[in-house]
Amino acid sequence: SQTIHQWPATLVQPVGSPLSLECTVEGTSNPNLYWYRQAAGRGLQLLFYSVGIGQISSEVPQNLSASRPQDRQFILSSKKLLLSDSGFYLCAWRKPGATEAFFGQGTRLTVV
Amino acid sequence: TQLLEQSPQFLSIQEGENLTVYCNSSSVFSSLQWYRQEPGEGPVLLVTVVTGGEVKKLKRLTFQFGDARKDSSLHITAAQPGDTGLYLCAGGIETSGSRLTFGEGTQLTVNP
Repeated sequence: SQTIHQWPATLVQPVGSPLSLECTVEGTSNPNLYWYRQAAGRGLQLLFYSVGIGQISSEVPQNLSASRPQDRQFILSSKKLLLSDSGFYLCAWRKPGATEAFFGQGTRLTVV
Repeated sequence: TQLLEQSPQFLSIQEGENLTVYCNSSSVFSSLQWYRQEPGEGPVLLVTVVTGGEVKKLKRLTFQFGDARKDSSLHITAAQPGDTGLYLCAGGIETSGSRLTFGEGTQLTVNP
């Protein structure tokens, strides 16, 4: 069966510090991968998605970046965090051509 | 610009009442999904609709896809406190490839 792992679950970082969130998928190959950010009680804002190794589509210009160094690994990074980067970050995957997306447990990021 | 508009944004009702949540877009979707999310967790798929005019039922939940595949609705009959959560519609526009976008969500609270 397929599983998705996202870590850490919670993170408190000072303004100006770097960020690295990691997401890995097991049990499937060549998945489409997604990073979303969610404000409290609101919908999901698509940040990045990837259809293959090294292929990243950016949705929102900001100080975040994403990388896919391996087929089932998706990393969200920042060189210098801003207060506005606080939020709930979700990683998701789905099979190419499929409709259902499967989500990780999320990372609660608080920038102080 | 939000591709998927959900209404209402918040809904608080009493146990036993009926409700309908709407998801609208000016774009045509190849498919549309409804997810439910609990606090601190990732969204979980409820249903996928792919054919214009399609109606799907999941116990007390009825999902409908518009004839033109631009809108959808979720109707809950005799709501229960366990239905409380954030309901999200999501989909891929026909011309957008692997991009998966979400609506802003409807926060439903069912009071006992």
